[in-house]
Amino acid sequence: KAGVTQTPRYLIKTRGQQVTLSCSPISGHRSVSWYQQTPGQGLQFLFEYFSETQRNKGNFPGRFSGRQFSNSRSEMNVSTLELGDSALYLCASSGGGRTEAFFGQGTRLTVV
Amino acid sequence: GNSVTQMEGPVTLSEEAFLTINCTYTATGYPSLFWYVQYPGEGLQLLLKATKADDKGSNKGFEATYRKETTSFHLEKGSVQVSDSAVYFCALIDDYKLSFGAGTTVTVRA
Repeated sequence: KAGVTQTPRYLIKTRGQQVTLSCSPISGHRSVSWYQQTPGQGLQFLFEYFSETQRNKGNFPGRFSGRQFSNSRSEMNVSTLELGDSALYLCASSGGGRTEAFFGQGTRLTVV
Repeated sequence: GNSVTQMEGPVTLSEEAFLTINCTYTATGYPSLFWYVQYPGEGLQLLLKATKADDKGSNKGFEATYRKETTSFHLEKGSVQVSDSAVYFCALIDDYKLSFGAGTTVTVRA
């Protein structure tokens, strides 16, 4: 069974640009969540989607958005990039509810 | 809100030593609890889980018991190997969201 796939693995963007990250969950999983990992703030929750509906959202500015498609694949978008957005962005999939989440390898975003 | 507190690292051990990483949580109700491990340059891997009080999760020689009385979920391994060098995260899930501890870096020397 294939794991969670995130693309691209690495990305370098310039301040002010926007970026879209992609996540394909484990087959059969309908919940996809996104996390930002930085050395200073650790792992922070961005948002969670289940069957194309956002069920929870973390405390991030509106520049961070996401969506989920009918095949459960998800994308997150960050507009007007800032230097502080440089981070490892992790996607996780699960069956939903209190079950365990499985993570992808992440997308390393560097904003210059 | 919900939160997880882990012992601060880094932790440096010799091979075959005993490892304990303390984790306590604050939550309404009884969330499922997890330990994840992260190796350099990789995402998080689920190490073990417990879904209710007194449950013991175990995997690859690691164990943790869900203690409701002390709101704890300490990770233990009896004999560590160099390959156990990684960052370990304690986490709980509530309202479809994982809340993580700060992570504990473990280095095992041969």
